[in-house]
Amino acid sequence: AQSVTQLDSHVSVSEGTPVLLRCNYSSSYSPSLFWYVQHPNKGLQLLLKYTSAATLVKGINGFEAEFKKSETSFHLTKPSAHMSDAAEYFCVVSEKPRQLTFGSGTQLTVLP
Amino acid sequence: KAGVTQTPRYLIKTRGQQVTLSCSPISGHRSVSWYQQTPGQGLQFLFEYFSETQRNKGNFPGRFSGRQFSNSRSEMNVSTLELGDSALYLCASSLGGDKNEAFFGQGTRLTVV
Repeated sequence: AQSVTQLDSHVSVSEGTPVLLRCNYSSSYSPSLFWYVQHPNKGLQLLLKYTSAATLVKGINGFEAEFKKSETSFHLTKPSAHMSDAAEYFCVVSEKPRQLTFGSGTQLTVLP
Repeated sequence: KAGVTQTPRYLIKTRGQQVTLSCSPISGHRSVSWYQQTPGQGLQFLFEYFSETQRNKGNFPGRFSGRQFSNSRSEMNVSTLELGDSALYLCASSLGGDKNEAFFGQGTRLTVV
């Protein structure tokens, strides 16, 4: 069975400093992995996806994530946080096509 | 290209009633999935329809049902509403096949009183 653990429920950073949101996954197969972002009262927006090509995945808005099979991790990073990055971020694993298992989410706060 | 459209955006219902939510996927997408988002349980998969057939189902009671029409639009129905059904219901649209990339609508906020 697949599962995903987001290691931090809340992360606070200052504007202009790096962002690191941590995610570990469990899967019996080679899964697809995603990061989604949700701004208040909005739907989910896909940031990036890993589907067994390059292990370093670049997404939108300067975000990227590295797939590490040995550590079963898929951490999300951004070199410099912007105020508009404040939102909730979800790490997602998928073994079956079109059936997503979400982590519990990490609330990112960006301080001025 | 229009995104995923969910209607209505907000609903208030009374316990025991039933409710129907609608989702129009991105043009050309044949798969529609439904998710429930609550503060306590987070985001949970309800079911997925592809080519008018339910392909996958999550761990929800039979009060939750859905269907998909020939134009790929989907509806989700919840009967005998309970207070715990209050949630944001999100619809996701995908091409189908082995394509996993899902695009989400803004959701329907259901409040049961």
